[in-house]
Amino acid sequence: SQTIHQWPATLVQPVGSPLSLECTVEGTSNPNLYWYRQAAGRGLQLLFYSVGIGQISSEVPQNLSASRPQDRQFILSSKKLLLSDSGFYLCAWSRSRNTGELFFGEGSRLTVL
Amino acid sequence: DQQVKQNSPSLSVQEGRISILNCDYTNSMFDYFLWYKKYPAEGPTFLISISSIKDKNEDGRFTVFLNKSAKHLSLHIVPSQPGDSAVYFCAASATGGDKLTFGTGTRLAVRP
Repeated sequence: SQTIHQWPATLVQPVGSPLSLECTVEGTSNPNLYWYRQAAGRGLQLLFYSVGIGQISSEVPQNLSASRPQDRQFILSSKKLLLSDSGFYLCAWSRSRNTGELFFGEGSRLTVL
Repeated sequence: DQQVKQNSPSLSVQEGRISILNCDYTNSMFDYFLWYKKYPAEGPTFLISISSIKDKNEDGRFTVFLNKSAKHLSLHIVPSQPGDSAVYFCAASATGGDKLTFGTGTRLAVRP
């Protein structure tokens, strides 16, 4: 069966510090991978998605970047965090060329102070 | 531009009664719709979906209705249970696309 894990689960970082959130998927190959953010009082905002290694599409201009160094690994990064980067970050995967169901990870709560 | 809208941020329902959550969309290219349920500090989990070739899909206590002409869908939960208390997200996608567009969510509270 397929599983998705992301870490760390909780992170408290000072403004200006770097960020690295990691996500891995097991039990499937060539998945589509996604990073979403749920900010306080808002819905799920798509940040990045990837259809293959090294292929990253950015949905929203921002202070964050994403990388996909391996088929089932997706990393969300920032060089210098802003207060507005605080939120609940969710990694998700779907079967390639599928516009249907997304499978989400457990989420990472980021607080920037 | 919010292409998928959930205009009710919250809903409170008595246990045993029906819960109706609404969702509107603006993109006529959307042809597949999903509902997700989310508990605090957890990732959303898939609940039920519907293709644009149907106007109703039922799964146990959950039924989704689609009105294509009105670009509106709704999720009915009957009977509602306290464990249904969560945030519900509506999502939509278009054939050939690689991503879902989510609404802002509706927080459902089912009172015992």
